[in-house]
Amino acid sequence: QVRLVQSGAEVKKPGASVKVSCKASGYSFTDYYIHWVRQAPGQGLEWMGWLNPKSGDTTSVESFQGRVTLTTDTSITTATMAMSGLRSDDTAVYYCGRSIRPGAGLDVWGQGTTVTVSS
Amino acid sequence: SYVLTQPPAVSVAPGKTATITCGGNDIGSKSVHWYQQKPGQAPILVIFYDSDRPSGIPERFSGSNSGNPATLTISRVEAGDEADYYCQVWDSSSDHLVFGGGTKLTVL
Repeated sequence: QVRLVQSGAEVKKPGASVKVSCKASGYSFTDYYIHWVRQAPGQGLEWMGWLNPKSGDTTSVESFQGRVTLTTDTSITTATMAMSGLRSDDTAVYYCGRSIRPGAGLDVWGQGTTVTVSS
Repeated sequence: SYVLTQPPAVSVAPGKTATITCGGNDIGSKSVHWYQQKPGQAPILVIFYDSDRPSGIPERFSGSNSGNPATLTISRVEAGDEADYYCQVWDSSSDHLVFGGGTKLTVL
């Protein structure tokens, strides 16, 4: 059974950092890209970036560059999204999802991780 | 940056057909994917590469991308189809994924 299981909810203060993990199982981890997508309360889906576990290459939205780091550990089939300099408008549900190539649809998604940024 | 435009809301009576549009510049040259998201749940892929259905998605769901806009059609709509629907493409020029703003489907 193909699954992406994400780490639990986080509450952080402004300026802090957060790491969200995404554990893959049931498929060859290096054969699929991992994407990160976030959804602020009551808002739509916002793509953040992708990572190729086979090569380690990443692409991210320019507005996140410098604050977001996408990494992978193939030995434990886990992808991680780290975000620094958290602001209140980073409060959102963060999802990971996989695709066979960048232009393909995301056919499996994690359950989502709620990150709340509040003083 | 590439922009996808969806109507904020569509309403349909049970048993009727719902059509959700997704507009974008030269969208016919791109592959469009569609997702369904119910409250409190992660999105699920319902149409990929314009018109293909993943296994487990009912045949009532179909897609087309023969021009602008691309469309998601849900035939014989059921109460359980009530959800937010998002279109998505890959913008090869920027190597970025782009989502539409989403359409809330209400079953009357």
